[in-house]
Amino acid sequence: GAGVSQTPSNKVTEKGKYVELRCDPISGHTALYWYRQSLGQGPEFLIYFQGTGAADDSGLPNDRFFAVRPEGSVSTLKIQRTERGDSAVYLCASSLGRGRVYEQFFGPGTRLTVL
Amino acid sequence: AQKVTQAQTEISVVEKEDVTLDCVYETRDTTYYLFWYKQPPSGELVFLIRRNSFDEQNEISGRYSWNFQKSTSSFNFTITASQVVDSAVYFCALSENSGNTPLVFGKGTRLSVIA
Repeated sequence: GAGVSQTPSNKVTEKGKYVELRCDPISGHTALYWYRQSLGQGPEFLIYFQGTGAADDSGLPNDRFFAVRPEGSVSTLKIQRTERGDSAVYLCASSLGRGRVYEQFFGPGTRLTVL
Repeated sequence: AQKVTQAQTEISVVEKEDVTLDCVYETRDTTYYLFWYKQPPSGELVFLIRRNSFDEQNEISGRYSWNFQKSTSSFNFTITASQVVDSAVYFCALSENSGNTPLVFGKGTRLSVIA
């Protein structure tokens, strides 16, 4: 079956611009996560959704970052006034949902480059 | 606070050698989960194993085996008879058992298997 998909695969933007990154989770997965991976580092948590609501957004670095999941499926990570330090691979993962700890399945990521 | 340490940044082995990747974790929780993920050059994180804190039995899956020791807070990963296709970055990760909580990743170990 289809895995987690992310679009675009690559995004180059200029400092100060607004970007949107999209994640399509595995069908039926109620939990969705966004992580950010800088070069040579492990993924770092940004925000986690259970259904439509953000269950934990403690990893968002500042108020320029925002994410939505309006229908409990597709999610969009939005970054305003991008800075060069935002350059990284943004990973999305999904899992079956609440009640027990399920493994997270990751998408291929969006490589964001801010010039 | 939770923390995962992978002290080995890079390891190179010759094909058919055995190799062990170390993982040490810190958590105040008595219930938690440990994971290993593989990130091949293509970039997509691949789930390998999940282990809960109450199950200290070692696990073997083909050429892969995992040694979980709560006494030393370690969850080490051994690849037996390594192959070139094992070349990748391997991440150890930790999550609390309070639902589908976000993963805390180590910085990863880059394994190169040379033919």
